[in-house]
Amino acid sequence: SQLAEENPWALSVHEGESVTVNCSYKTSITALQWYRQKSGEGPAQLILIRSNEREKRNGRLRATLDTSSQSSSLSITATRCEDTAVYFCATEGYAQGLTFGLGTRVSVFP
Amino acid sequence: EAAVTQSPRNKVTVTGGNVTLSCRQTNSHNYMYWYRQDTGHGLRLIHYSYGAGNLQIGDVPDGYKATRTTQEDFFLLLELASPSQTSLYFCASRGTGRYAEQFFGPGTRLTVL
Repeated sequence: SQLAEENPWALSVHEGESVTVNCSYKTSITALQWYRQKSGEGPAQLILIRSNEREKRNGRLRATLDTSSQSSSLSITATRCEDTAVYFCATEGYAQGLTFGLGTRVSVFP
Repeated sequence: EAAVTQSPRNKVTVTGGNVTLSCRQTNSHNYMYWYRQDTGHGLRLIHYSYGAGNLQIGDVPDGYKATRTTQEDFFLLLELASPSQTSLYFCASRGTGRYAEQFFGPGTRLTVL
């Protein structure tokens, strides 16, 4: 089973709307990372939120972390078509190799 | 911006074939990683390295060898390729800071017929 899992599997929104992806994880963490993967590209980090942080912002992105329930969320406000991608949460294992969930496919339509 | 490049971008081989995937990073990062990405499994760690000459096994190492010849170059070797190794392969590099970011290459799509 996955150590990190995003939900829902997929989301569709129109430009300008907000979207939230949720993540649940099954291991103790020092930090949780959110990545985005656009079609034909490798994943790229969006936000890293440390275990002693409850919220982290990066422009239109906002991540939350609740270590008691082992859950996190990533919200994107004022979405744009270029936000269309698969979004992953990832936890860091030994030697800082990452364990990813299966991802949430977000589609933003004009 | 950190740079990780991979070659080839696409490769087709036959069962039993010998394949080498190449990765180069120009960021002076110590850590380098090989992942494979498959539908239904997500990204999984194959091998990783702390530095030139160092090799460590990841979560799905069977059928793969790796070699880190320099700090910049990390290779993934499939000596007897099988159809189950058809996948999208990503290389990544990372610095040594506790919360350092991993930078991924663009991927190599490998098809084993």
